[in-house]
Amino acid sequence: EVNLVESGGGLVQPGGSLRLSCAASGFAFSDYDMHWVRQGTGGSLEWVSTFGLSGVTTYADSARGRFTISRDNADSSLFLQMDNLGVADSALYYCVRGGGGLEFDHWGQGIQVTVSS
Amino acid sequence: QSALTQPPSASGSLGQSVTISCTGTSSDVGDWQYVSWYRHHKGKAPKLLLYEVNRRPSGVPDRFSGSKSANTASLTVSGLQGDDEAEYFCVSYAGSNTWVFGGGTKLTVL
Repeated sequence: EVNLVESGGGLVQPGGSLRLSCAASGFAFSDYDMHWVRQGTGGSLEWVSTFGLSGVTTYADSARGRFTISRDNADSSLFLQMDNLGVADSALYYCVRGGGGLEFDHWGQGIQVTVSS
Repeated sequence: QSALTQPPSASGSLGQSVTISCTGTSSDVGDWQYVSWYRHHKGKAPKLLLYEVNRRPSGVPDRFSGSKSANTASLTVSGLQGDDEAEYFCVSYAGSNTWVFGGGTKLTVL
C-alpha cells in the first residue's frame, strides 16, 4: 500500500524558514515523479513544486526563488525547503506521487504550515 | 499559471447525474490530454477519480466519467450517492513540468 507521511510543519514568523519532509513507503520511490501541492486558507489547491524522474525540478511562480525541492531516493524521502515565508504561504501542504498520465495518484494526509507574527 | 475555472457549487439528487466543468486555456486544458479529476472529503487525502481526461484508476466505479472539448473538460457523476457529497477539483498539465489546478466545486447531494 502506498503511504506518504508529511512532517516538519508548524508556526513560523514572516521571513522565517521551514523544511518539510515526506516519508514514502509501499512503492519504488525512485521510479516516480514527486510533487508538493498546497491548500491555502481559501480552500483552493495549488501546485507548488515537482522533482521529476529525470532530476528536473520545477516550481510555481509563487514558490520559485524561495522554495527548494529535493529528494533522497535511498531513503524514499521528499523534502521542501521553504525560505522567506510570507502569510500567503500558510496552507496545508501535501506530498503527492505522480502517475504515468501526469496525474497525482496518491496523496499524503497533509501538514499544516502557518506563517504569522 | 492562472487557476482553471470551475463552478463553485453543484447539486443533484440521489440517483441522478451531475456534470462539473473545468475551463482553462489553449496552454493547458486545450493543449494536453492530461486532465485529471479528484474528490476531496474534508480532512481526508484527495482521491484520484480520472486521469488523461477519461481514464479511471483501478477501483473507481464507472459512475465517474470525463470528457474534453477545446479548453473545457467535464466530469460527470452518475447515480449520485450520499458519499459523493464532497469537493471536486480538476488539474491540467500545462507543459514544461508544470500543472494548474481548478478552484474546486462543492457538490451537494440532495
